[in-house]
Amino acid sequence: SYELTQSPSVSVSPGQTASITCSGDKLGDKFACWYQQKPGQSPILVIYQDNKRPSGIPERFSGSNSGNTATLTISGTQATDEADYYCQAWDSSTSLVVFGGGTRLTVL
Amino acid sequence: EVQLVQSGAEVKKPGESLKISCEGSGYTFTNHWIAWVRQMPGKDLEWMGIIYPADSDTRYSPSFQGQVIISADKSINTAYLQWSSLKASDTAMYYCARGSGWFDLWGQGTLVTVSS
Repeated sequence: SYELTQSPSVSVSPGQTASITCSGDKLGDKFACWYQQKPGQSPILVIYQDNKRPSGIPERFSGSNSGNTATLTISGTQATDEADYYCQAWDSSTSLVVFGGGTRLTVL
Repeated sequence: EVQLVQSGAEVKKPGESLKISCEGSGYTFTNHWIAWVRQMPGKDLEWMGIIYPADSDTRYSPSFQGQVIISADKSINTAYLQWSSLKASDTAMYYCARGSGWFDLWGQGTLVTVSS
């Protein structure tokens, strides 16, 4: 079965850039997206189709996907960005969806 | 308002059956797939499967095939997730979400607790 691997945690200082990675075999050949989940809340889509932002998501959130790695980048990180971030891939040929294990972003 | 509203929290005993729901409003329910996602306590998100309410075309994750049933009633804009015999390991938060390749709208979640 297909697996996505994320680092368990990432720390960043306020105002700095946070990079969260997601690895999977030939992930660049699939569409990747990212969700933000704060404690006690439902996930929110922050990036879809590798690098598109839904309406209402701040411009400081960006994404890329190439080779075996997708990356979520948060520029000018704010305290409100502290959350768990999950990557997700979609295999359009099988319609199967896989989530990564999540990365806890701490803003120190 | 575009939203998915899920049924309330459930407390069940092992072996009991359960059906939880997810009602869509503010958009054309039959134009979008609905997925179900499990999140066990303190754990990550797990995709269970999806359904297209217009024709009830359903796909399951191999991990959940045979363990749950996903269904929909397009006449009342509602999708369902059901179990015939719950286990303690089914204790989790269950989310419905709109979409197939990515999920742009999520329900508030339904907490299912299975305990003797």
